[in-house]
Amino acid sequence: EMVLTQSPATLSLSPGERATLSCRASQSVSNYLAWYQQKPGQAPRLLIYDASNRATDIPPRFSGSGSGTDFTLTISSLEPEDFAVYYCQQRTNWVYTFGQGTKLEIK
Amino acid sequence: QVQLVESGGGVVQPGRSLRLSCAASGFAFNIYAMHWVRQAPGKGLEWVAVISFDGGSKFYADSVKGRFTISKDNSKNTLYLQLNSLRADDTAVYYCGRDMSHCIGGNCYSAHGADVWGQGTTVTVSS
Repeated sequence: EMVLTQSPATLSLSPGERATLSCRASQSVSNYLAWYQQKPGQAPRLLIYDASNRATDIPPRFSGSGSGTDFTLTISSLEPEDFAVYYCQQRTNWVYTFGQGTKLEIK
Repeated sequence: QVQLVESGGGVVQPGRSLRLSCAASGFAFNIYAMHWVRQAPGKGLEWVAVISFDGGSKFYADSVKGRFTISKDNSKNTLYLQLNSLRADDTAVYYCGRDMSHCIGGNCYSAHGADVWGQGTTVTVSS
């Protein structure tokens, strides 16, 4: 069973700081890794697809990297609207898994 | 504009059934794979099911396999999720999402991510 482990569970930072979120897969997922942002009461929003490609209208401060089992979402300089929960998601043979999420909160 | 609108949620007793719908507009629904994803109260996202662009392939999370059925009516631009034998732990907000992968005229583009989402519909299983 594929497991995605996100770390840290909670990240406390201030606007303007750099955020680094990690997602580790229990087995290789190649580059089939997406990142989503979710705010309370809202649907998920796709940020990054295929590990490193920004989705439409996503600001360049968001970037994704990694392949195989280790992936990173980086937000270069936090804006107030970036404080939310972030999920990674993988696809393996048409079976999908989300990580448990990282809550990015204002310090 | 590109839009997904879910409906069909409600309060249902354990063991009963419910059918969720997801109406698509603003894009060529018939060329895209589609997902259902759910979120229990206060919990993270859980992938539920995916269906290929033509409805020919369907895959499910182990937690719903044998109880839920995903389907797609391309003539009505609508995605469905039939929920049978409902349990208390099926209580969640259910979202439909459009996969980025799509096929046009036999040529398929593959990308991992769901780029369009509905607002969600709430299912509460309680006696």
